[in-house]
Amino acid sequence: KAGVTQTPRYLIKTRGQQVTLSCSPISGHRSVSWYQQTPGQGLQFLFEYFSETQRNKGNFPGRFSGRQFSNSRSEMNVSTLELGDSALYLCASSATSGSPDTQYFGPGTRLTVL
Amino acid sequence: DAKTTQPPSMDCAEGRAANLPCNHSTISGNEYVYWYRQIHSQGPQYIIHGLKNNETNEMASLIITEDRKSSTLILPHATLRDTAVYYCIVRVANRDDKIIFGKGTRLHILP
Repeated sequence: KAGVTQTPRYLIKTRGQQVTLSCSPISGHRSVSWYQQTPGQGLQFLFEYFSETQRNKGNFPGRFSGRQFSNSRSEMNVSTLELGDSALYLCASSATSGSPDTQYFGPGTRLTVL
Repeated sequence: DAKTTQPPSMDCAEGRAANLPCNHSTISGNEYVYWYRQIHSQGPQYIIHGLKNNETNEMASLIITEDRKSSTLILPHATLRDTAVYYCIVRVANRDDKIIFGKGTRLHILP
């Protein structure tokens, strides 16, 4: 089975712009979670989608949003980019929602905001 | 906040067993212990998980104390490719929850 794929792998944007990142889960997986990783804050949970519904949300401002499509692919959007949004954005998929189902991570999208 | 405590860094000689401790003293009866690792600039990789019994797979062994307040991840024969940050996480079973990652342990394998 192919693993979790994320596109693009690298992205450079300027402050004020918006960005959309894409995640394709492992075939058959219906849950997709998004995380932000920065050197200062580590890995932080953004949100989780399961069957096109947001099931859980982390403590991020409304500029961060996401959605999931009927084929389980997911996108996350960040509007009005700030310098502090520079990070590695990771997507993880699992077959179902909630523990103990194992999450499998993609390689991430590295976003740089100038 | 993360519900686990791990040492920030550890060293291990190549070929020796690497034993990574994790403290989860407030763990509840229905919480699983998960281990992931992250090699530089890659996505975290699932290693192993367990509830109360010790577990072993092709990558590692997980030893959970009888009171479940701590656990140890064992990499039996560490190689240079095992150099990574190792995260210990607790997750509630069968409930929508979010994974909370702590700072993890940075494991250095020394040649």
